[in-house]
Amino acid sequence: AQSVTQLGSHVSVSEGALVLLRCNYSSSVPPYLFWYVQYPNQGLQLLLKYTSAATLVKGINGFEAEFKKSETSFHLTKPSAHMSDAAEYFCAVSRPEYGNKLVFGAGTILRVKS
Amino acid sequence: NAGVTQTPKFQVLKTGQSMTLQCAQDMNHNSMYWYRQDPGMGLRLIYYSASEGTTDKGEVPNGYNVSRLNKREFSLRLESAAPSQTSVYFCASSGLAGGPGETQYFGPGTRLLVL
Repeated sequence: AQSVTQLGSHVSVSEGALVLLRCNYSSSVPPYLFWYVQYPNQGLQLLLKYTSAATLVKGINGFEAEFKKSETSFHLTKPSAHMSDAAEYFCAVSRPEYGNKLVFGAGTILRVKS
Repeated sequence: NAGVTQTPKFQVLKTGQSMTLQCAQDMNHNSMYWYRQDPGMGLRLIYYSASEGTTDKGEVPNGYNVSRLNKREFSLRLESAAPSQTSVYFCASSGLAGGPGETQYFGPGTRLLVL
């Protein structure tokens, strides 16, 4: 079975600092990987996804993530945090043999301090 | 173009009551999904429908039923609500029937409280 682990349920950064949210997956076969963001009292919105093309994936709002097969990781980064980045972030995985069903990590709440 | 819409936005039920959560999408997507979100557990798949006329169980189907009414609408029914079903419920849709790597588009959610 596939699974996703997000390290750190809460991450706090200062405005302008680097954002790093960690995601590791368990799969013997490279999966499809996603990062979604959820702003308070809203649904989930896709930030970016990896579908076996370039290993460095750029998303919306200045976020990017790098697929590292050797580390089974797909960490999300942003060079400079903005107050508007405060939200909950979810890493998710899917594999073709499981159809298009997503398996989500537990989520990481990002707090941005002024 | 409203995307994925859900009704109601918020509901309070007593234990044993029944209710149906409604979901509709206007993107002509084939696949639709129901998830529940609980603190510290991410989103877990309840049921999904790869195409009109088909439904399948997800990770946590017990206590729920679904109906794919047509291509646009996918409803979730709680026949006899329990406090353990207190959660936020999200509906999602995606374009192809089970295509890998597809983006799922989410509705705004329904907050359900079962007393």
